[in-house]
Amino acid sequence: GENVEQHPSTLSVQEGDSAVIKCTYSDSASNYFPWYKQELGKRPQLIIDIRSNVGEKKDQRIAVTLNKTAKHFSLHITETQPEDSAVYFCAASTLRGGADGLTFGKGTHLIIQP
Amino acid sequence: NAGVTQTPKFQVLKTGQSMTLQCAQDMNHEYMSWYRQDPGMGLRLIHYSVGAGITDQGEVPNGYNVSRSTTEDFPLRLLSAAPSQTSVYFCASSPGAGITDTQYFGPGTRLTVL
Repeated sequence: GENVEQHPSTLSVQEGDSAVIKCTYSDSASNYFPWYKQELGKRPQLIIDIRSNVGEKKDQRIAVTLNKTAKHFSLHITETQPEDSAVYFCAASTLRGGADGLTFGKGTHLIIQP
Repeated sequence: NAGVTQTPKFQVLKTGQSMTLQCAQDMNHEYMSWYRQDPGMGLRLIHYSVGAGITDQGEVPNGYNVSRSTTEDFPLRLLSAAPSQTSVYFCASSPGAGITDTQYFGPGTRLTVL
């Protein structure tokens, strides 16, 4: 089955700097790659996603890039703010774009230092 | 819309006891799934359903049963609870392929098995 590796497990950046979280996947058939943000004690919430026919997607301060050949994708957050502090999960799916379940990375704890 | 709801929020069981975690959605979503979240492990898929009357196993199905008699409800049953099932359980739903693949998570159930 699919295996998703996520790095780093903890990332500390100064407020205003950029943060990058990287994920690799094993199944070349994967075609849907969402990113979720989870605050302490809360449910995961989708922040951005990308499909395998797109190389990059942006939404304000957040962007995701996908390299299908290398089987890796990354989350980029620019101009980080204190409210960006959370655990971020990448995920991948091979079946119908994620509707049949996702394989998640183990998460990155992002800490924004004031 | 209430979205995805889960009950109970917290539960403590003794080894060998049985219980059902409830999940309901009022968005007429076709797809529903159950995940467990353990520290440092991300979220792992237990079971999923692509529609009423249809269920399938995910990555970690052992010890859990599901059924989908209606579009709205997708209960998760623990027949004989074990300490290894101590976890936070999230239910998620998705409209289905071709519409959007965003998965909407419920608030979670924190289960402790003694």
